[in-house]
Amino acid sequence: DAKTTQPNSMESNEEEPVHLPCNHSTISGTDYIHWYRQLPSQGPEYVIHGLTSNVNNRMASLAIAEDRKSSTLILHRATLRDAAVYYCILPNNDMRFGAGTRLTVKP
Amino acid sequence: GAVVSQHPSWVICKSGTSVKIECRSLDFQATTMFWYRQFPKQSLMLMATSNEGSKATYEQGVEKDKFLINHASLTLSTLTVTSAHPEDSSFYICSADPDRGRNEQFFGPGTRLTVL
Repeated sequence: DAKTTQPNSMESNEEEPVHLPCNHSTISGTDYIHWYRQLPSQGPEYVIHGLTSNVNNRMASLAIAEDRKSSTLILHRATLRDAAVYYCILPNNDMRFGAGTRLTVKP
Repeated sequence: GAVVSQHPSWVICKSGTSVKIECRSLDFQATTMFWYRQFPKQSLMLMATSNEGSKATYEQGVEKDKFLINHASLTLSTLTVTSAHPEDSSFYICSADPDRGRNEQFFGPGTRLTVL
């Protein structure tokens, strides 16, 4: 079974920030936290990853809790093209995917 | 960089035939590749871990004699669906780890298999 839990779905308005949570309470000290997203009929696309510190890149920001048992993917200004299923995984020793969060962006 | 390709992108075959799907890392080498299957409206299901030069490790419930995996080089893994049946129709996706010590995964675009 996947070692992460996420809400099944979330909605956002276009141009507004989106915070996508992920719980990974059984994370170990060496587990990286990875986020991917998948558009329909496409392979998953890498979004961001981190270990302990918060991370920023062109696509998103990743906020990691101090105890590392949860993390939040932040899309600062959602666009219609951000509508996808977002997955967080701990690939260090488990490449199984959970159900992910289906993000709907409303114009 | 870090591009993964799959071929074919889609395939339709008759029941009972075998289908080979290729997964290539185009600009990096990958000791480890992963194969997934995805049914409509569902998440990716890990089928097996493909290791260059050794036998693949299959997930529980995945028939290794039906889904043959060959990882003969550091840039190519193949998945052969043998004696395909309609229930094998699915979206097959591979991923490759560029071995940079960060457990990164780069995914292929997927192959849609339809078995008639």
